[in-house]
Amino acid sequence: DQQVKQNSPSLSVQEGRISILNCDYTNSMFDYFLWYKKYPAEGPTFLISISSIKDKNEDGRFTVFLNKSAKHLSLHIVPSQPGDSAVYFCAASAGYGGSQGNLIFGKGTKLSVKP
Amino acid sequence: KAGVTQTPRYLIKTRGQQVTLSCSPISGHRSVSWYQQTPGQGLQFLFEYFSETQRNKGNFPGRFSGRQFSNSRSEMNVSTLELGDSALYLCASTSRGTNTEAFFGQGTRLTVV
Repeated sequence: DQQVKQNSPSLSVQEGRISILNCDYTNSMFDYFLWYKKYPAEGPTFLISISSIKDKNEDGRFTVFLNKSAKHLSLHIVPSQPGDSAVYFCAASAGYGGSQGNLIFGKGTKLSVKP
Repeated sequence: KAGVTQTPRYLIKTRGQQVTLSCSPISGHRSVSWYQQTPGQGLQFLFEYFSETQRNKGNFPGRFSGRQFSNSRSEMNVSTLELGDSALYLCASTSRGTNTEAFFGQGTRLTVV
């Protein structure tokens, strides 16, 4: 049973436009959410996170929105650039004991940004 | 500050053998987690160590084990390797406190033949 779902395996966007990547979760105990970017044969790179007490967090071109009632979060990239082409993973944690060491990942969305 | 270092980067083993992977976390990070990435299952949590103690464990068979040393370095061991164990094994380190991100190493690509 997947607790974190990314229902779109792939997304293609034109350079300069907005990329919207979606993620749904089922476990209401999750209280911290993260987005990672990953290139083949490399480890995931942290992009942005959001705590369950917020509904929006912004960092440069990246904004994450959290809708707790719908158990849904999204990552907006504006404007999209060809270098953003990668697989994006949504991850969630029910942190306790002061550590977020146990992350539950979605299966990823492959973003292609075309020049 | 040096990142998370995993060794070796690539490994080829034969079915039935055992393997040990190593991870050095970011200096000052005391939590180390291990993940398995396969094309079909995505990134799956194996276990987490904090201050030399296993804090969390994912849904993997007992052939997968780990440990953490007093300097926070961690090792992961897989015994009696199976073809299905071929994967990218990723280590992540996390600093103290809540709501902190995990930083990943580049991973060890294990191929079982």
